[in-house]
Amino acid sequence: ETGVTQTPRHLVMGMTNKKSLKCEQHLGHNAMYWYKQSAKKPLELMFVYSLEERVENNSVPSRFSPECPNSSHLFLHLHTLQPEDSALYLCASSQDVSGGSYNEQFFGPGTRLTVL
Amino acid sequence: AQSVSQHNHHVILSEAASLELGCNYSYGGTVNLFWYVQYPGQHLQLLLKYFSGDPLVKGIKGFEAEFIKSKFSFNLRKPSVQWSDTAEYFCAVNARDSWGKLQFGAGTQVVVTP
Repeated sequence: ETGVTQTPRHLVMGMTNKKSLKCEQHLGHNAMYWYKQSAKKPLELMFVYSLEERVENNSVPSRFSPECPNSSHLFLHLHTLQPEDSALYLCASSQDVSGGSYNEQFFGPGTRLTVL
Repeated sequence: AQSVSQHNHHVILSEAASLELGCNYSYGGTVNLFWYVQYPGQHLQLLLKYFSGDPLVKGIKGFEAEFIKSKFSFNLRKPSVQWSDTAEYFCAVNARDSWGKLQFGAGTQVVVTP
């Protein structure tokens, strides 16, 4: 496996379900990110982890709960979601979170989430 | 706060036509600039990036972009497009003096007809 992988690729869930999205990076990076991609809107940064510590929580509702057990894995736990949460959820990683050249982010294929 | 504006949401052109996609950002400090591409059914991939040096940057698949600091712009160009360039293109910016948060534009859907 190379790059950034995400599972599952597609997920359909009801509003009362609890599910988790998984991201794994095989690049030896120290920073990982969750983004939300909705139609006709810019990618929205949700969470950032650097060396397993959260450095950014971009006003995301508490029904989204991230977890970063180590620098290679990132989870997004979902519970009591709303239909408007349906979107493509992208994971990314970078060498670090500095503003320099190491901040090039590599993206996974995303999880297409549908909330019924 | 920084923001990124992409001028066109949807572009349709024929093969061999030239492509230029506009990108403007609002931030007064030093920035890093990126263009990402998302082909149908595929993940976001880096097309090219600018950190410093020559403001004319060459990327993969014949794309280039020019950073014009005075205009806060980073427009993407390709002299002759192919059908395989059909994709969505995203401009992104991060402020050098911040921790590197990427701000994306809304994207431009490009359709190249045979």
